[in-house]
Amino acid sequence: GQNIDQPTEMTATEGAIVQINCTYQTSGFNGLFWYQQHAGEAPTFLSYNVLDGLEEKGRFSSFLSRSKGYSYLLLKELQMKDSASYLCAVRERGGSSYKLIFGSGTRLLVRP
Amino acid sequence: NAGVMQNPRHLVRRRGQEARLRCSPMKGHSHVYWYRQLPEEGLKFMVYLQKENIIDESGMPKERFSAEFPKEGPSILRIQQVVRGDSAAYFCASSPTGTGGRRNEKLFFGSGTQLSVL
Repeated sequence: GQNIDQPTEMTATEGAIVQINCTYQTSGFNGLFWYQQHAGEAPTFLSYNVLDGLEEKGRFSSFLSRSKGYSYLLLKELQMKDSASYLCAVRERGGSSYKLIFGSGTRLLVRP
Repeated sequence: NAGVMQNPRHLVRRRGQEARLRCSPMKGHSHVYWYRQLPEEGLKFMVYLQKENIIDESGMPKERFSAEFPKEGPSILRIQQVVRGDSAAYFCASSPTGTGGRRNEKLFFGSGTQLSVL
């Protein structure tokens, strides 16, 4: 089975930095993804980690520690438009196929 | 290049009716995934299909739900005899090679179909 945990909600201030944590327990781990989802819209890809360490992409960075079953998404220079849900997803191998298993998401509210 | 197209955007059904949700993957993508999202919850995996084949249906309820991805045309998620508990947003996603083909292969999502059962 699999278990992916993220905080339900977070609040931060415009211009600040926020870190969204994700812990997971899964068999057949094959990578970790972060997606952003605005209310009523499609999830959109933010980042991918398969090896330990930090991946940086503009204002967004994602970190992975496979031994700890832990990842975080770091958002810098927060903007109001960053208010959204952030979904942690583990790619899991099952037999000969792969699928993404999502956590429940973290709702981030950015305040002025 | 059009993205993943889902229709209808909103679907209202009465209890006992059938719901058909359609998904056209991105051009060149032959792998389709269906997810269900309840309010304030994450995406729950339902089924993974390739053209004419169901690869993984471990997340599909055993009864009333079925999915297909024919050689021609969109993928269809079919829910028979809907109940109020089926009310949710249903998202379709596609990828070129099935997420495992290349290490950083990601899923591209459609805008979803919001199913409301009265």
